[in-house]
Amino acid sequence: GAGVSQSPSNKVTEKGKDVELRCDPISGHTALYWYRQSLGQGLEFLIYFQGNSAPDKSGLPSDRFSAERTGGSVSTLTIQRTQQEDSAVYLCASSIRTNGEQYFGPGTRLTVT
Amino acid sequence: SQQGEEDPQALSIQEGENATMNCSYKTSINNLQWYRQNSGRGLVHLILIRSNEREKHSGRLRVTLDTSKKSSSLLITASRAADTASYFCATDAMGSYIPTFGRGTSLIVHP
Repeated sequence: GAGVSQSPSNKVTEKGKDVELRCDPISGHTALYWYRQSLGQGLEFLIYFQGNSAPDKSGLPSDRFSAERTGGSVSTLTIQRTQQEDSAVYLCASSIRTNGEQYFGPGTRLTVT
Repeated sequence: SQQGEEDPQALSIQEGENATMNCSYKTSINNLQWYRQNSGRGLVHLILIRSNEREKHSGRLRVTLDTSKKSSSLLITASRAADTASYFCATDAMGSYIPTFGRGTSLIVHP
């Protein structure tokens, strides 16, 4: 079956613009995670969803970052007024349950100029 | 600081040799997972080992877990050039649903 998909695969934006990143998880996966990875670094947790609710938003770097998930499926990560330090690969993963094996999408490479 | 830390940061070996990577963590965990990442994009799950397990095998992969030392190791036997990738451990701390990833070990296997 289809894996986790993310769009766009690459995004170049000017500083100060807003961007929306999309994640389509595997059907039936209730848990959805967003991570950020800077070059050569590990994964930085941003937010996770259980169904449509986000029990833990503690990883969001600032109030410019927000995320939502509708219908227990698609999730959107929005970054407002982008800054150069937001440049990174944004990875989404879904899991049939929390604490389980995560299936990752290919990521969105965001470049803020 | 990171919950899980991989060691070494980088490893370079010849094809056919074994590769061993280690992961140390700080707090009690539910389980520990190893992932592989090629070219800085999506991660692929390799093995999940639960806190009450000591060893698991999957093909050429062998994972051990020592909860008394709060450490795990990933052994890749008879390495191939295609094993070249970054390898990450992820731990789920007790009472948390958030897996924490280390910075990874970069493995290069020379043909």
